[in-house]
Amino acid sequence: GIQVEQSPPDLILQEGANSTLRCNFSDSVNNLQWFHQNPWGQLINLFYIPSGTKQNGRLSATTVATERYSLLYISSSQTTDSGVYFCAVEGMIKAAGNKLTFGGGTRVLVKP
Amino acid sequence: DAGVTQSPTHLIKTRGQQVTLRCSPKSGHDTVSWYQQALGQGPQFIFQYYEEEERQRGNFPDRFSGHQFPNYSSELNVNALLLGDSALYLCASSLGLAGVEQFFGPGTRLTVL
Repeated sequence: GIQVEQSPPDLILQEGANSTLRCNFSDSVNNLQWFHQNPWGQLINLFYIPSGTKQNGRLSATTVATERYSLLYISSSQTTDSGVYFCAVEGMIKAAGNKLTFGGGTRVLVKP
Repeated sequence: DAGVTQSPTHLIKTRGQQVTLRCSPKSGHDTVSWYQQALGQGPQFIFQYYEEEERQRGNFPDRFSGHQFPNYSSELNVNALLLGDSALYLCASSLGLAGVEQFFGPGTRLTVL
């Protein structure tokens, strides 16, 4: 099946800093999503971005499908940005259904 | 607009018991998927239901079974619980099967003693 790798695994930032999280995937995809998991376990949708670039406030994301990677940018980080960021993909070659395959996550800690 | 809801929030069981978890999809959604998230790992796909049928299944034993009802809500059943079944169980919903955004519920945290 499709493989998803995220880097870095851990990231410690000072409040106000910018950062880039990376997601590499091994095959063509129908769907790519970025999530933020809060301390209570809730997965919050950040971006649905199988290709192209999107921005939402201080966050933006770019997926280059032909090169099989996606980037999540966090600008002017705040302590509330702390948590685990997951990239998840739906492979294009599939049986019926659209299961998401998750990467291992990037654990972000923003210090005040 | 109601999001994905799950019940119960937390559950404690002992080895060998059976458990049923419940999920109501986001309003307007017809597809429900279940994921298991062990501590410190990313969620793993269990199975997906559409039109009351299991459409795709991950690498989980037959002890894990499910059901989807006509109102699109779903249940996840786990029989003969093992200590290793302790995890956060997440339900996701979407409209349709392919290339669509999935939305997750808050999860059910299952502890097996």
